[in-house]
Amino acid sequence: DAGVIQSPRHEVTEMGQEVTLRCKPISGHNSLFWYRQTMMRGLELLIYFNNNVPIDDSGMPEDRFSAKMPNASFSTLKIQPSEPRDSAVYFCASSSRLAGLGELFFGEGSRLTVL
Amino acid sequence: AQTVTQSQPEMSVQEAETVTLSCTYDTSESDYYLFWYKQPPSRQMILVIRQEAYKQQNATENRFSVNFQKAAKSFSLKISDSQLGDAAMYFCAYRSPNTGNQFYFGTGTSLTVIP
Repeated sequence: DAGVIQSPRHEVTEMGQEVTLRCKPISGHNSLFWYRQTMMRGLELLIYFNNNVPIDDSGMPEDRFSAKMPNASFSTLKIQPSEPRDSAVYFCASSSRLAGLGELFFGEGSRLTVL
Repeated sequence: AQTVTQSQPEMSVQEAETVTLSCTYDTSESDYYLFWYKQPPSRQMILVIRQEAYKQQNATENRFSVNFQKAAKSFSLKISDSQLGDAAMYFCAYRSPNTGNQFYFGTGTSLTVIP
């Protein structure tokens, strides 16, 4: 079975540019999570969706960040405009309450560097 | 909100020896799920082991086992016969079935395996 698929794996951009990170959850999973990981702040939950509906976006740093889930098989995290402090690894994860204990399955992450 | 605490930022173990990573959590819920994730240098988060709170029996997965003490709100991970490939960051996580499938992660423990 295909796992959670994220793209791009690496992104280097300049301050002020728009960044779009993409995620395809595991088929059949109804929850999707976006996390950000940095050395300073560790693993932070940005936003999560249940059945394509955003449930908690309190972790989204500011208005420059937005996330969408137009359907059950695709989600995007957009940063506009990007800033150097946004440099981090961004993880997408999905889960299903009907599978196991609803554990998270993570993608390989997107490493973002903003110059 | 629930909190998960990993009090050991770094641990080391001699190859073939046993090491225990600690995790405590704070909750008022009686039903919940606990997990340990491993993040090797490749950075992908991998599920190691999981535990249901209402099960008394401690979960075991090959060389990995947990010591779940519900009253003490403790969920430690024991790695037996440590191998070089066990070197990674380990995260303890709590999942609440009552708050929209929310997950809470600890800050992680970095495990070094000494040859």
